[in-house]
Amino acid sequence: DVKVTQSSRYLVKRTGEKVFLECVQDMDHENMFWYRQDPGLGLRLIYFSYDVKMKEKGDIPEGYSVSREKKERFSLILESASTNQTSMYLCASSLDAYHGYTFGSGTRLTVV
Amino acid sequence: GENVEQHPSTLSVQEGDSAVIKCTYSDSASNYFPWYKQELGKGPQLIIDIRSNVGEKKDQRIAVTLNKTAKHFSLHITETQPEDSAVYFCAASKTGANSKLTFGKGITLSVRP
Repeated sequence: DVKVTQSSRYLVKRTGEKVFLECVQDMDHENMFWYRQDPGLGLRLIYFSYDVKMKEKGDIPEGYSVSREKKERFSLILESASTNQTSMYLCASSLDAYHGYTFGSGTRLTVV
Repeated sequence: GENVEQHPSTLSVQEGDSAVIKCTYSDSASNYFPWYKQELGKGPQLIIDIRSNVGEKKDQRIAVTLNKTAKHFSLHITETQPEDSAVYFCAASKTGANSKLTFGKGITLSVRP
């Protein structure tokens, strides 16, 4: 069964910490995405990548960066975590947008 | 860019009844329309999709219809069951190597036993 795996289901971090969220897919997909999900706001795109070492800003990139050194792995980095980054983070991958996305189970991050 | 809207934000139906969830989109060039179901504590999962060369697609109890002229598409669930209770997201995109989905804000469907 094809999979997108996010390394942590729950994380608690302190304000100011550097936080790494990892995502791995086993489908040889070119495209990978990071979303955050908050009540009433739906899925908001943070960053995406169409190829190794390529990245594009989404709708809310401020306070985040990403890394894609290998095709299967896409990392989201919170440079200096803040309480307003407390959220559910979802990673997704796709062959292309015409075939839909496969999502991971999400990481619920709490910044205290 | 594309804008996808979903209404209402919540929907409650009696078990066994039908549920219809509607979405509108703004970009007439969009030609791919998937629907995702997100159960509690899980990531969204693709349940059905439709491309603009067809007007309707069915898969057992779920169906999706597309009206390109009016720029809206709908998810229809018949004979609803408690396990249909979830958040449903619609999305739209157009073809192209670097295209991406634009999602609606989601609707919470509750099926009352």
